[in-house]
Amino acid sequence: GDSVTQMEGPVTLSEEAFLTINCTYTATGYPSLFWYVQYPGEGLQLLLKATKADDKGSNKGFEATYRKETTSFHLEKGSVQVSDSAVYFCALSDLMDSNYQLIWGAGTKLIIKP
Amino acid sequence: GAVVSQHPSWVICKSGTSVKIECRSLDFQATTMFWYRQFPKQSLMLMATSNEGSKATYEQGVEKDKFLINHASLTLSTLTVTSAHPEDSSFYICSAQTGRTDTQYFGPGTRLTVL
Repeated sequence: GDSVTQMEGPVTLSEEAFLTINCTYTATGYPSLFWYVQYPGEGLQLLLKATKADDKGSNKGFEATYRKETTSFHLEKGSVQVSDSAVYFCALSDLMDSNYQLIWGAGTKLIIKP
Repeated sequence: GAVVSQHPSWVICKSGTSVKIECRSLDFQATTMFWYRQFPKQSLMLMATSNEGSKATYEQGVEKDKFLINHASLTLSTLTVTSAHPEDSSFYICSAQTGRTDTQYFGPGTRLTVL
């Protein structure tokens, strides 16, 4: 079945560093790909999405490109801030029983130090 | 837009009692709602999927008699944890989806602690 693999955390960076969180997927169809972010003690927020190959999703300085050839959707940000500290989840959508469900990666905790 | 609320945000109850958690889509109609459970430092575990006006579809291993889900309107779904026990303590998160789109919008979560 479909699956999502994320790099294990925690990832610890200094403020203003460049961020990459790797995400690869396996899927039989052409799913949409998502990054969600979860701040401490909160629910999940949609960070960005891409619906087809070569699409680039972007939001709040984060971006990710849907790479079909490498089945990847790596999250990047050029200069991270302390406020970016959170857990980041990569996910893909899969049509199951007439509903689109999300297949989740395990999540990557990001810690940004001042 | 696409705001989902949950109530309560946290609840503490005694073992054996039942707890109801509400999930509301505030500015859109949610044809499908999802209920997840999240254990500390882990990813989300899908518990069930509910379409408005239909019975919920539960994931394997989730007891439907213990976790009662009602999706009576396009803006409200409820999860009732019946006869709660300490092992039911967890972070419960709902999400909502409209139409045939594949994007889910999440509520802020409810922290349940069963003593």
